[in-house]
Amino acid sequence: NAGVTQTPKFQVLKTGQSMTLQCAQDMNHNSMYWYRQDPGMGLRLIYYSASEGTTDKGEVPNGYNVSRLNKREFSLRLESAAPSQTSVYFCATHGDAAGRVLDGYTFGSGTRLTVV
Amino acid sequence: KNEVEQSPQNLTAQEGEFITINCSYSVGISALHWLQQHPGGGIVSLFMLSSGKKKHGRLIATINIQEKHSSLHITASHPRDSAVYICAVYFQGGSEKLVFGKGTKLTVNP
Repeated sequence: NAGVTQTPKFQVLKTGQSMTLQCAQDMNHNSMYWYRQDPGMGLRLIYYSASEGTTDKGEVPNGYNVSRLNKREFSLRLESAAPSQTSVYFCATHGDAAGRVLDGYTFGSGTRLTVV
Repeated sequence: KNEVEQSPQNLTAQEGEFITINCSYSVGISALHWLQQHPGGGIVSLFMLSSGKKKHGRLIATINIQEKHSSLHITASHPRDSAVYICAVYFQGGSEKLVFGKGTKLTVNP
């Protein structure tokens, strides 16, 4: 009963380095999301994917790219990491039908990223 | 602007106390979530509701659509309830994107 698997759990990058955060869900859901969480702020949406093959920008997309590789996997890429991208990143998914949210969200366990 | 406000920001209680956390939002919504985040980071969905009341164990969530307000209640609180509780909403007319409150940090002392 994995739900949403997110890797890695921790990462330290130097400014300018690149990396990809991986997310996979085994719930057969269409919708997947990437959020970042910073102290004193609510979760903020970076990118989302309503279905395989589609992606859209969220509230804070600058500095990130995403790929919806297939229905299961949704990756987040930092091409040139900056200290402002130090954050905790969460992947999430939820069930849906005909554009209507069916149930609560399932979150991955998070990736704590530090950019020095 | 579509906003979600939670109160209080921080709450300290003694074991056994009845806890209430509040969430208010600015415009009409289609659904509201309550989430729980324990120290160490994992986020768990507690409730999704669009009207009335839901109960699960010692947790009760209510929503008043007319007043644009929801409450999360914890009865007979326990130290293991210590966590950050987050309210999030889907605004009407928007997409399937949640807007999150900043969370309420609850500490329950033995």
